[in-house]
Amino acid sequence: AQSVAQPEDQVNVAEGNPLTVKCTYSVSGNPYLFWYVQYPNRGLQFLLKYITGDNLVKGSYGFEAEFNKSQTSFHLKKPSALVSDSALYFCAVRADSSYKLIFGSGTRLLVRP
Amino acid sequence: DAGVIQSPRHEVTEMGQEVTLRCKPISGHDYLFWYRQTMMRGLELLIYFNNNVPIDDSGMPEDRFSAKMPNASFSTLKIQPSEPRDSAVYFCASSLLRGGTDTQYFGPGTRLTVL
Repeated sequence: AQSVAQPEDQVNVAEGNPLTVKCTYSVSGNPYLFWYVQYPNRGLQFLLKYITGDNLVKGSYGFEAEFNKSQTSFHLKKPSALVSDSALYFCAVRADSSYKLIFGSGTRLLVRP
Repeated sequence: DAGVIQSPRHEVTEMGQEVTLRCKPISGHDYLFWYRQTMMRGLELLIYFNNNVPIDDSGMPEDRFSAKMPNASFSTLKIQPSEPRDSAVYFCASSLLRGGTDTQYFGPGTRLTVL
């Protein structure tokens, strides 16, 4: 069965500092991995995805994520956080044999000025 | 592109009433997904369609829920009769399968409150 774990309910970081939001996954077969962001009272916005190829994926708004097959992780990173990055972040996975996305529980990112 | 459009954005109804949520996917997309988001259960996939055909409805909570996609540009999710525990935000998403992969794009959601 597919599953996604986001071990931190909330991540706090100061503006200008690097940020990391953690995600680990379990899937049969090759994983397709996604990060989405949700602002208050809005739908989910796509940030980036890993399908195959380079383990470091670059996405929208300066975010990137690193796929680590041995650790089954896909952590979201940004070199310098902005206050406007404060939002709810979701990691999602699907197997290459399915179109069903399984979402993690979400991590709230709070960037303080 | 206008993105995925959902209506209404907010719905307040009384227990026992029928509720219909509507979704217009991005033009040209061949997959459509309905999700429900609650604090307790997070984001759950209810059902998804491919080329207007329901593929997997295993996430539909019970027979009170039904979904249809009569054409490529419109889908509905109906709850009849509604119950307070159905209160949630319902999202529609669409995607285009290309090169063996797809990215789902979400609508703004419908916040349903059942009193």
